[in-house]
Amino acid sequence: GDSVTQMEGPVTLSEEAFLTINCTYTATGYPSLFWYVQYPGEGLQLLLKATKADDKGSNKGFEATYRKETTSFHLEKGSVQVSDSAVYFCALRVGTGRRALTFGSGTRLQVQP
Amino acid sequence: NAGVTQTPKFQVLKTGQSMTLQCAQDMNHEYMSWYRQDPGMGLRLIHYSVGAGITDQGEVPNGYNVSRSTTEDFPLRLLSAAPSQTSVYFCASSYRVAGMNTEAFFGQGTRLTVV
Repeated sequence: GDSVTQMEGPVTLSEEAFLTINCTYTATGYPSLFWYVQYPGEGLQLLLKATKADDKGSNKGFEATYRKETTSFHLEKGSVQVSDSAVYFCALRVGTGRRALTFGSGTRLQVQP
Repeated sequence: NAGVTQTPKFQVLKTGQSMTLQCAQDMNHEYMSWYRQDPGMGLRLIHYSVGAGITDQGEVPNGYNVSRSTTEDFPLRLLSAAPSQTSVYFCASSYRVAGMNTEAFFGQGTRLTVV
């Protein structure tokens, strides 16, 4: 079946540090890939997405590139801020008919001033 | 824009009690789903619906019922609550554009504790 594996957290960084959160996947078809963010006390929000190999999704300074050869979709940001502290979820969806998302376990990011 | 609205935000139940978690969306999305979020396990799909009158089971459906009488509403029912159902529940909706599925839009969640 489909699955998503994320690095375990929490990840603790100082402000302005470089961020990488690893995400790898297994899928039976050709998935679309997503990163969602959950701020404290809130629901999940889409951060970025990529729908085919070599696509790069980007938003709010975050980037992730869909790497089919390594089945990865790592999240990166060059300079994190305290306001980036949240839980980040990698997710996939296979095909156009199936609409349910398969999520990773989430990675908590804590950014210290 | 209300988006996806869930009620209540918090609930405490006693074992064996029943309740309904409400979910409503005002975006005319045909697809709606319920997930539960547990520590270290991400979100797992409970039930989903591809349109009014059509529902199906997800990964962890046991102990839950759903119905979809309108496009807007997708309530989740716990018939006899158990401590294992203590979790945070999220409702989500999505639609298609040019044959492609859009991203899911999530509600703010319901934190349920069963004692």
